[in-house]
Order: sequence, then structure tokens, then C-alpha cells
Amino acid sequence: KAGVTQTPRYLIKTRGQQVTLSCSPISGHRSVSWYQQTPGQGLQFLFEYFSETQRNKGNFPGRFSGRQFSNSRSEMNVSTLELGDSALYLCASSLEGHNYEQYFGPGTRLTVT
Amino acid sequence: SQQGEEDPQALSIQEGENATMNCSYKTSINNLQWYRQNSGRGLVHLILIRSNEREKHSGRLRVTLDTSKKSSSLLITASRAADTASYFCATDVVRSSASKIIFGSGTRLSIRP
Repeated sequence: KAGVTQTPRYLIKTRGQQVTLSCSPISGHRSVSWYQQTPGQGLQFLFEYFSETQRNKGNFPGRFSGRQFSNSRSEMNVSTLELGDSALYLCASSLEGHNYEQYFGPGTRLTVT
Repeated sequence: SQQGEEDPQALSIQEGENATMNCSYKTSINNLQWYRQNSGRGLVHLILIRSNEREKHSGRLRVTLDTSKKSSSLLITASRAADTASYFCATDVVRSSASKIIFGSGTRLSIRP
């Protein structure tokens, strides 16, 4: 089976812009979760989507949003980018959610200047 | 502070020795997972242990969970150079209608040849 893929792998944006990241889960997986990883805050949970619905949400501002399509692919959007949004954004897929093994993608490295 | 706190923050051992890492958490959990992250393979799931389980094994890995002490340990036996990585515990926190994964800050393990 192909693993979790994320595009793009690297991204440079300017403060105030918006960005959309994409994640394709493993075939058959219905749950997609997004995480932000920074040296200062570590790995933080953003949100989880299951069958096109946001099922769980972390403590991030409304500038961070996402969606999931009928084929389970997911996108994450960050609007009005801030310098502090520079991070590695990881996507993980699993069969049913957090109570099951999660498979992570390689991540998208976002740099905000 | 983080829900999951790993101890120690860094560990350096000789190849062939055993490595033990600990994770403590604060609130009730559905399950606890251990992950490994290195630059070559990204974040990889190691073991998931549910709140009603006390011990699980997978190859050279042994995980214990003590819900009364809110702690877990990961033992890697007969360490190899390829075990050099950061190890994270992640707790699936019990909420009324949702769950949230919280990662610890990680233990950096170095295996000396």
C-alpha cells in the first residue's frame, strides 16, 4: 500500500498570506489528523476529520481550518499567516481514528517570512 | 505544561544495551501510543496500549502502562545504531464528546557504536 503523501513538501510564504496544504491518506483509511511541530511547542494536534466531518479539534485559532473530501483526502488552510506559523505540518491517517495506529506523512515544511 | 512528559529528555547508551524511557501524564486517557521520529523515516508508530492493558510487546520493544500512577515506560532491548531517534509518547485524552491526542516533548536517544 502507498503511504501517506503530503504536498507540497516545502513552502515559503509571506506574513498575511494564506496557504493550503494537502494530504492523501492510505487507501481505506477514513480518519485524517493534522499536527503542527515546532522546536518550541513540540507536536500539537490541530484537528481530525472522519468521513468528511471534523470530529476533534485542538487549541488553535480559527485561522487554521481544514476539510476532508469524499475520497478521504484532506486539506488544511491557514489564513493571515504569522511568523509563528512557521513549522512542520504533519498529516496522519488511520482506519478509524485516535484509538488506532496512525500513519504519518513526511510533512510540509512551511516558512513564513 | 505538556500532558505527556518524557523522561529523560536525552539518553546516550552503548550499542547492545537496553534503553528505558518514561512518560507521565495528567488526565485520564483512552490509550497511549509511542512514536519514533528520525530524519530519515519521519514519525513512525511503535506501539499502542489501551487504558485497560498493562503491558505490550513488539519485537525488541516492551511498553508498560500504570494508570494509577499515570505513567508509561518504553523499553528497547539490545539497542542498535538504527534506534537512534527521538521517541514520543502520545496520549488520547478522554473528553466528554471528543478525544484529543497530546504528544510529549520527547526523549532523544543516541546509540554509541
